[in-house]
Formats: sequence, structure tokens, C-alpha cells
Amino acid sequence: GAVVSQHPSRVICKSGTSVKIECRSLDFQATTMFWYRQFPKQSLMLMATSNEGSKATYEQGVEKDKFLINHASLTLSTLTVTSAHPEDSSFYICRSVRGAEAFFGQGTRLTVV
Amino acid sequence: EDQVTQSPEALRLQEGESSSLNCSYTVSGLRGLFWYRQDPGKGPEFLFTLYSAGEEKEKERLKATLTKKESFLHITAPKPEDSATYLCAVDAGGTSYGKLTFGQGTILTVHP
Repeated sequence: GAVVSQHPSRVICKSGTSVKIECRSLDFQATTMFWYRQFPKQSLMLMATSNEGSKATYEQGVEKDKFLINHASLTLSTLTVTSAHPEDSSFYICRSVRGAEAFFGQGTRLTVV
Repeated sequence: EDQVTQSPEALRLQEGESSSLNCSYTVSGLRGLFWYRQDPGKGPEFLFTLYSAGEEKEKERLKATLTKKESFLHITAPKPEDSATYLCAVDAGGTSYGKLTFGQGTILTVHP
């Protein structure tokens, strides 16, 4: 079964609104969560790395004020897309690490209309 | 800068027709190389991790191998259910523990 649960799997929102995506680690404590973005037929691009109890580290070119990441507990990390625009439409995926293993969430398809 | 290049971009096979996918990488220091399978609209599913040149791992019809510059994912007698995008990623270690750099992926289609 899934060890990282991501919700929602699909969301449609209007331009200008904010959307929150949650990733929960099941049965283990995820001190680190990686957030990726994937465009159709393209690979995963790392957006940011979140660590429990500290500020996220964003990759170059990723707006930290637009993509808010919160990792307030060892089992929950959230990504909030603020003031969403159509160009933010994409597939967002989280990934956590448990020992030597890495687990992805199921992904969230965001469509901004 | 760490780089991962996968080839071919797309591969069409007949059921039972064995083939290989390639993943070439350039990293300053390899902590691990990962293979994932991704179905449309879903998150990647872990397949293998390889840590050192010469290492091989197998799972059902899949076999992954690693050299100092590339990795191969061999698919033996594939079935239609093997159709998916296969992603390769490297962990270059350093201060970014667990941070992976992904290749573009190979879209595999197996026809019955």
C-alpha cells in the first residue's frame, strides 16, 4: 500500500484563488519532503525541499511567495499555490525518504481556469 | 551540474520483443541511481536502486545494470501491462541528501 498519501488527486480552481495540496507519510516520520512539478511528457522538476520545523529550500526560479510550503509535523507537508494562474496548471508530486527508500505521493493534477 | 539523459524518448515493442532503455549520467559523485515506473496521471513507482558500477538487480521481467557512466533497464519478453514511462534519477549526495535529478523518461508502449 501507499506509504505517502497525497490529496487531492485532482483539483480545478479559478484564477486568483489558492489551492492547498497535502502529503502525509503513513507509518513513518518524514523529516524531509521533496515537492516536484511535472509538465505533460516531461520529467519531474524539483521545486523545493521541506524539512520539518524549518523553512523550505526552494530551487532557483521557483517563487517562494507563490508556492508556500509548510512542514509543521513529521507526518504532514503541504504545498499551497497562491493566486493561481493558468500557467500554474500542472501535475504536482511529493516525495519522501524512509531510510534508503524513497516514496512518491500519487500526484495532484491542478487545472486553473 | 548533474545531468541525466534517457534514450530513447519513446519505444514501441511487440509483446515478447526484448529491449533495453538507457540512462546516461554525469554527476560529481554518485550516491545512488534509481529507476521508477510512472503510469499516466500517477506518481512514480519505485523499481530499483543501484549504488555501484557492476551492480545488477532484477524484478520479474526487468533487470537494471550500472556502469560508471550509464545504466540500462533491460526488459525481457515484455507484456502490454509493462507499458508506462520509465524514469531514471540520480542522487549525487553531498549536502542535499535524498535530492534526485531526473531524466526525461522513456515512454514504453508494448503492443499485443
